[in-house]
Amino acid sequence: DIQLTQSPSFLSASVGDRVTITCRASQGISSYLAWYQQKPGKAPKLLIYAASTLQSGVPSRFSGSGSGTEFTLTISSLQPEDFATYYCQQLNSYPPGVTFGPGTKVDIK
Amino acid sequence: QVQLVQSGAEVKKPGASVKVSCKASGYTFTGYYMHWVRQAPGQGLEWMGRINPNSGGTNYAQKFQGRVTMTRDTSISTAYMELSRLRSDDTAVYYCARDLRYSSSWLVEWGQGTLVTVSS
Repeated sequence: DIQLTQSPSFLSASVGDRVTITCRASQGISSYLAWYQQKPGKAPKLLIYAASTLQSGVPSRFSGSGSGTEFTLTISSLQPEDFATYYCQQLNSYPPGVTFGPGTKVDIK
Repeated sequence: QVQLVQSGAEVKKPGASVKVSCKASGYTFTGYYMHWVRQAPGQGLEWMGRINPNSGGTNYAQKFQGRVTMTRDTSISTAYMELSRLRSDDTAVYYCARDLRYSSSWLVEWGQGTLVTVSS
């Protein structure tokens, strides 16, 4: 099974900072990666899919890049509403399924 | 607009079963796979499986094989997830989530979550 790791696990940042979160896959997964944002007590929200495609309605300060085994989520200028936990997610082709990374919590410095 | 409305919180004893429903509205129910994802308290997201509402076909995570059953009732646009032989570590919020496209497995619409507590 393909495993996902995220770094860092926890990130302390200030409003206006540029923030980068990395997700690594144990095997190459092409561009089959998504990023989600989750706030406490709420369901996750899809931000990026297919590694770099911004989901409709998501602010352009969010961007994704990478392919193969290393991927990044970048927030160009952190806003107060961006303090949350971020998860990466990959697709398994066989057997069909989904794996999530362990998450990165972005907190206020 | 698309809505997924889940059934209410449940408290179950170890060894029992729980069945969570997810009623969809605002789109063609049979046009998109439905997934189930759970989140234990303070923990990350865990995919449980998915159902093709059109055919009823399912794919389950290996961890849940033999304990989970996903079904649907197209007449009322509702998906169900039943988990049997509950243990205390099944205590979690259970989410249904709809595919962005037919079977892309990008999860774009989510229910509000159903808290299942397993306690003796």
